[in-house]
Amino acid sequence: AQSVSQHNHHVILSEAASLELGCNYSYGGTVNLFWYVQYPGQHLQLLLKYFSGDPLVKGIKGFEAEFIKSKFSFNLRKPSVQWSDTAEYFCAVVSGNTPLVFGKGTRLSVIA
Amino acid sequence: EADIYQTPRYLVIGTGKKITLECSQTMGHDKMYWYQQDPGMELHLIHYSYGVNSTEKGDLSSESTVSRIRTEHFPLTLESARPSHTSQYLCASRREFGNTIYFGEGSWLTVV
Repeated sequence: AQSVSQHNHHVILSEAASLELGCNYSYGGTVNLFWYVQYPGQHLQLLLKYFSGDPLVKGIKGFEAEFIKSKFSFNLRKPSVQWSDTAEYFCAVVSGNTPLVFGKGTRLSVIA
Repeated sequence: EADIYQTPRYLVIGTGKKITLECSQTMGHDKMYWYQQDPGMELHLIHYSYGVNSTEKGDLSSESTVSRIRTEHFPLTLESARPSHTSQYLCASRREFGNTIYFGEGSWLTVV
């Protein structure tokens, strides 16, 4: 069964710091990859997605992610975080007919 | 905007009561999913469906049941609710691989 690993459980950054959240998946076939964000007390929102083509994907709110097939990775980046980016971030992968599988999530806390 | 709806959004019920969480989508998607998420924690797949009359159990064992009689509806039922069922339940759907997965806004269930 495919799995998704998010290595950082909790990341604490100061405002304006750069962000990179790691995501690795286990499936070797063709995959679709997603990053979702969940602000405190709110529902899941799609940040960005990769289906095919350019491996560097740009999403909303200044986020981007790079798909590196050889490393089975889809890391999320943002050059300069804001206090409002404080949230839980989930990486997810789907392949073929399989359901979407989520990582355990990374909590980002941005301090002023 | 996604056309996937969950009702009720918030519910507090007593132990032993039967509850059905509704999920409806108007996009004609064949594949639908139920996830369970405790606050700030990872999402666990509990049920999914490939289409009408298709239901499968997910990775997390759940005492809930689902049905898929119509493409648009994928209700989740708890025959006898317990405090351990207190959680957020998220419904999702997609058309095919290579298409966006849409999430409902979630149903928050509290069993007292």
